[in-house]
Amino acid sequence: EPEVTQTPSHQVTQMGQEVILRCVPISNHLYFYWYRQILGQKVEFLVSFYNNEISEKSEIFDDQFSVERPDGSNFTLKIRSTKLEDSAMYFCASGGPFTDTQYFGPGTRLTVL
Amino acid sequence: AQSVTQLDSHVSVSEGTPVLLRCNYSSSYSPSLFWYVQHPNKGLQLLLKYTSAATLVKGINGFEAEFKKSETSFHLTKPSAHMSDAAEYFCVVTHSNYQLIWGAGTKLIIKP
Repeated sequence: EPEVTQTPSHQVTQMGQEVILRCVPISNHLYFYWYRQILGQKVEFLVSFYNNEISEKSEIFDDQFSVERPDGSNFTLKIRSTKLEDSAMYFCASGGPFTDTQYFGPGTRLTVL
Repeated sequence: AQSVTQLDSHVSVSEGTPVLLRCNYSSSYSPSLFWYVQHPNKGLQLLLKYTSAATLVKGINGFEAEFKKSETSFHLTKPSAHMSDAAEYFCVVTHSNYQLIWGAGTKLIIKP
């Protein structure tokens, strides 16, 4: 069964550094998403991406964040200058066409020191 | 605006007894509703999904959920708990633009 994959599983970085989180969505999906879950808190929507552009983003997704689909398979989330409060589990999801069901990857745990 | 309330942060049941995880939602239209499960140190797995085809939805691992529009509820049940069901369960509703709105989660504890 196809699944969403994410790398790395755990990333440790220093405050102020740039990080790139990588995702490979399910191959025939057209919609791509990033969510995050700060320890002990709800899962929060960050951004959705369709047809090579952002279709919706939350208040969390400020200028420090960007997404890209650099080729036909990868979907990346970049945080330009990490802050302590960016420490969280980041989940990539993909979905569609013709369905609003989203399938999630295993997550990347980001720790900012 | 859409919102989800999971009424219990923790539910503890004995192995072999029924499970009930409660969820209420608020939506200005007819949303899709989901239950996802997160086992310790694992990702988010889709358990089941409600659209509008049937009010009783069967999912994986023996779970099912019933949509009750009059009560705006979508409770998750299982007749007999197994130790492997110990996990955190999330009730989720679609936002109009395919964004998912998440409940706070319910930790299911299974006692031997």
